[in-house]
Amino acid sequence: NAGVTQTPKFRVLKTGQSMTLLCAQDMNHEYMYWYRQDPGMGLRLIHYSVGEGTTAKGEVPDGYNVSRLKKQNFLLGLESAAPSQTSVYFCASSSLLLAGVPTGELFFGEGSRLTVL
Amino acid sequence: AQKITQTQPGMFVQEKEAVTLDCTYDTSDPSYGLFWYKQPSSGEMIFLIYQGSYDQQNATEGRYSLNFQKARKSANLVISASQLGDSAMYFCAMREGEANTDKLIFGTGTRLQVFP
Repeated sequence: NAGVTQTPKFRVLKTGQSMTLLCAQDMNHEYMYWYRQDPGMGLRLIHYSVGEGTTAKGEVPDGYNVSRLKKQNFLLGLESAAPSQTSVYFCASSSLLLAGVPTGELFFGEGSRLTVL
Repeated sequence: AQKITQTQPGMFVQEKEAVTLDCTYDTSDPSYGLFWYKQPSSGEMIFLIYQGSYDQQNATEGRYSLNFQKARKSANLVISASQLGDSAMYFCAMREGEANTDKLIFGTGTRLQVFP
């Protein structure tokens, strides 16, 4: 079972370059998220999506764009990379609540380590 | 203001002993959920345990239990009979309100090291 798959796993960029991180989930989950993890700061939500064609800003959205054209995919784009975006990026997904009983468990990908020089 | 506070950057515990990892939260919403995740050195995030704000009993999952004290707004993770494989970062997280978005807010984490 693949679960949540992120590509690429590692990437080095120069300042000003652009790139896209791809997240794919095979669990038919409605919700998808992009977090970034920095030392001493835990995980911070960048953007999220509650369904195909919809996206919303999280806690730290500046410098990032996202798209959810297909239910199973959630793309995170960096238009003009900056050294401050050096981080580990995690994609996650979760399912709709069942009968109003929340579990809220997020299923995470393995992370993508991005370095911006 | 931080919504999730983990005041212990690092903890040590001897194998087979119990350890408590602290987590306090801040919310005015009566409906919320609290989670603990484990992140080993390999980097993946592993869900451990969940506690709903309306749950009457503390959540338990094997060797993990959540000491939920609603009035004190604390949700401490208790790991019983620690094992070497428990060495990892542990994150407390909270979901506010009705979970129509299910997005979680994470604390800064506690690094647990289990020694023989």
